[in-house]
Amino acid sequence: KNEVEQSPQNLTAQEGEFITINCSYSVGISALHWLQQHPGGGIVSLFMLSSGKKKHGRLIATINIQEKHSSLHITASHPRDSAVYICAVVYLEVGNEKLTFGTGTRLTIIP
Amino acid sequence: EPEVTQTPSHQVTQMGQEVILRCVPISNHLYFYWYRQILGQKVEFLVSFYNNEISEKSEIFDDQFSVERPDGSNFTLKIRSTKLEDSAMYFCASSEFPGTGELFFGEGSRLTVL
Repeated sequence: KNEVEQSPQNLTAQEGEFITINCSYSVGISALHWLQQHPGGGIVSLFMLSSGKKKHGRLIATINIQEKHSSLHITASHPRDSAVYICAVVYLEVGNEKLTFGTGTRLTIIP
Repeated sequence: EPEVTQTPSHQVTQMGQEVILRCVPISNHLYFYWYRQILGQKVEFLVSFYNNEISEKSEIFDDQFSVERPDGSNFTLKIRSTKLEDSAMYFCASSEFPGTGELFFGEGSRLTVL
């Protein structure tokens, strides 16, 4: 069964620290999404990647297709970054469009 | 900024009742999805919808579930006879392109079945 693994499951850090969240998957993909789930439950798309690296503000996402691995980095972390970060992939199958989700990484930034 | 809207935000229902969850996708998007998240678990795919028909569905999406785009703007998920295990947060999402397109999620509809 194709799984998406995230690490760590929980991460607590001090404000200002550099944060890295990792995601690995088992077979070829056409796209990988990083999502943020707020404490209230709503989901926001942060990045969609199929190769390389993307940056938006203090967030950076990278993907290594050969190693089947992606990372999400947060620079100068802030308490408002506290959320669950979810990695989700679209597996490379004909006609496949559905996302397969990881279990998420709960990030808590302490002031 | 365009957004996906969902109603209701929370619905409580008795087991066996029918429930309809509503979504208004972003207007120029063509691909629509329902996902669900049982409390404490990961998000799961239910169904994708394009060109007025289901394009893919998961094992969860059995005969109790149906989707419809009744009027060109709304996208609904109907659960015919709710079970306790249907209690979850249901998310609608839409995108311009399938699979590799950016996904826009609604805020979710929390369903509680008693």
